[in-house]
Amino acid sequence: DQQVKQNSPSLSVQEGRISILNCDYTNSMFDYFLWYKKYPAEGPTFLISISSIKDKNEDGRFTVFLNKSAKHLSLHIVPSQPGDSAVYFCAASGGDSWGKLQFGAGTQVVVTP
Amino acid sequence: DTAVSQTPKYLVTQMGNDKSIKCEQNLGHDTMYWYKQDSKKFLKIMFSYNNKELIINETVPNRFSPKSPDKAHLNLHINSLELGDSAVYFCASSQDPPGATDTQYFGPGTRLTVL
Repeated sequence: DQQVKQNSPSLSVQEGRISILNCDYTNSMFDYFLWYKKYPAEGPTFLISISSIKDKNEDGRFTVFLNKSAKHLSLHIVPSQPGDSAVYFCAASGGDSWGKLQFGAGTQVVVTP
Repeated sequence: DTAVSQTPKYLVTQMGNDKSIKCEQNLGHDTMYWYKQDSKKFLKIMFSYNNKELIINETVPNRFSPKSPDKAHLNLHINSLELGDSAVYFCASSQDPPGATDTQYFGPGTRLTVL
């Protein structure tokens, strides 16, 4: 039973434009959310996180938005760069998943020149 | 200088065999984890150790036995391997125990193929 869903398996964006990745969750007890980036044959790398007490967190080109009422979060990458081409995983924890990160299936981002 | 390392990177073996995957972290973290990424690409937690003590044990067959000889190491031993065990196994570590708003750092993964 997947509690974290990334419904877009892939996204193609032009270099310099905005990439928007979406994530939905079903467990209203989740209170901490993260985005990880993964290159082929490597482990996931932490990108950015947000606590449920916030609705936005920004780090350089990366911004995560949280809409608790909709149980939805998104990751914005502006501007997109070729090095951003990777798989992005959304993850969440909290409530009965305390201490256990629940991951989505990932979104493959391809940034084209 | 890799923060979280795993060996081997690839492991191909026959059904019924016993195998181990090793994980080491040089970050000085207190907590380590094992995750399994299945064919549908979902990453699912299997175990977590904090200061060498098992604190998370998900619904995993008891053929899987983690062992933490010290805080920097968490190994995964799998007995009587089955076809369904084929997956990528990731080790991770974090400074704080699970549940804290702490970042987990992942190793490069071990791709296990059971024939």
